[in-house]
Amino acid sequence: GESVGLHLPTLSVQEGDNSIINCAYSNSASDYFIWYKQESGKGPQFIIDIRSNMDKRQGQRVTVLLNKTVKHLSLQIAATQPGDSAVYFCAEEYSGGGADGLTFGKGTHLIIQP
Amino acid sequence: DTGVSQDPRHKITKRGQNVTFRCDPISEHNRLYWYRQTLGQGPEFLTYFQNEAQLEKSRLLSDRFSAERPKGSFSTLEIQRTEQGDSAMYLCASSPSLVGRTGELFFGEGSRLTVL
Repeated sequence: GESVGLHLPTLSVQEGDNSIINCAYSNSASDYFIWYKQESGKGPQFIIDIRSNMDKRQGQRVTVLLNKTVKHLSLQIAATQPGDSAVYFCAEEYSGGGADGLTFGKGTHLIIQP
Repeated sequence: DTGVSQDPRHKITKRGQNVTFRCDPISEHNRLYWYRQTLGQGPEFLTYFQNEAQLEKSRLLSDRFSAERPKGSFSTLEIQRTEQGDSAMYLCASSPSLVGRTGELFFGEGSRLTVL
């Protein structure tokens, strides 16, 4: 089965609110995680990554949280803007799996309500 | 634009025809990846190159699929005798990583294939 999963296909939030997108993974050996954003008709775009020796990492308006105990990853977007509308994918990698080891989940579609 | 470029962006073909996609990665990137993405799904790994060497191939890459990167720069992905199940977005990505994990991938905008 899938090692990285979608748990909320669509998330609708009000402009200006914070968004939280969740992702679960099943491979406890995964040690690197990435969030990608994909706008309609475009390729995925890197947002932020985190290694398994960390539990939190912050970027510009985004924060990734990693809970290895329950194998859960989340992406928090502060003050959501219309330009944040996209599908968000989490991806995991196990360093022992070789360079083809990046496995993507199915994605969450974030919709921004005006 | 110095990002990853793919050509063509859209291709409609009849079942049984051959198609070829081209990818030009970011020039200083050693690694080049091909992924396939179907509607509502995340990208699925197909194959990757380290310079001109094809180092990994997914089980998804049937005998009808072949990829090349002859001079370690651009790459082509050819699908022979296309089937309707080949309809998908074919994404190319490049990475500056030399060792170990995949790391951050820089994706192109994809080539959308429709097989009638």
